[in-house]
Amino acid sequence: AQTVTQSQPEMSVQEAETVTLSCTYDTSESDYYLFWYKQPPSRQMILVIRQEAYKQQNATENRFSVNFQKAAKSFSLKISDSQLGDAAMYFCALNSGGSNYKLTFGKGTLLTVNP
Amino acid sequence: SAVISQKPSRDICQRGTSLTIQCQVDSQVTMMFWYRQQPGQSLTLIATANQGSEATYESGFVIDKFPISRPNLTFSTLTVSNMSPEDSSIYLCSVERAGGWDEQYFGPGTRLTVT
Repeated sequence: AQTVTQSQPEMSVQEAETVTLSCTYDTSESDYYLFWYKQPPSRQMILVIRQEAYKQQNATENRFSVNFQKAAKSFSLKISDSQLGDAAMYFCALNSGGSNYKLTFGKGTLLTVNP
Repeated sequence: SAVISQKPSRDICQRGTSLTIQCQVDSQVTMMFWYRQQPGQSLTLIATANQGSEATYESGFVIDKFPISRPNLTFSTLTVSNMSPEDSSIYLCSVERAGGWDEQYFGPGTRLTVT
């Protein structure tokens, strides 16, 4: 079984500042993938960033970066220079493969960006 | 990434009735997934639909309640049968990344309200 835990139901950040969203996970697999998805009020799920477990280097996509700590099973998302458009629900997700390659999601963190 | 559309985008239904949700992808994919997102909650996988085979349901979801069709590599339907107010949710379909199982792209979702 795979689990994903997001311990911050809500976070807020000032525009142009940096915020870090936390995520921990558990899986017995050695080959897996981690993701952060963004869901704005329009409800469209948008992939923000991905991390392959076999890669030691942390993934980066423009203002978004992750801190992947494999031994600690931690996968946090850092948003730099926060913008109003970053306001959304952020979900951490894990795919360990297996029989149906399903994604397991955390409960989400609602990010508010204050002008 | 794939372009995914869902119909209807939203609906209000009477209890005891059924609603069929359509998911169309602009490219051929092997696996399609159906998720439920209850109000204020995270995403929960209902089932995985492979073309040419029966859908695989997750624990807590049964075919009689959520029958799924997958007639070809670009289309799937999910029916929510004999609806009750507890079925009020957003239903999302997703597809795996072309050539890989790790990443999924999501449709815009169908917001269902049962009265």
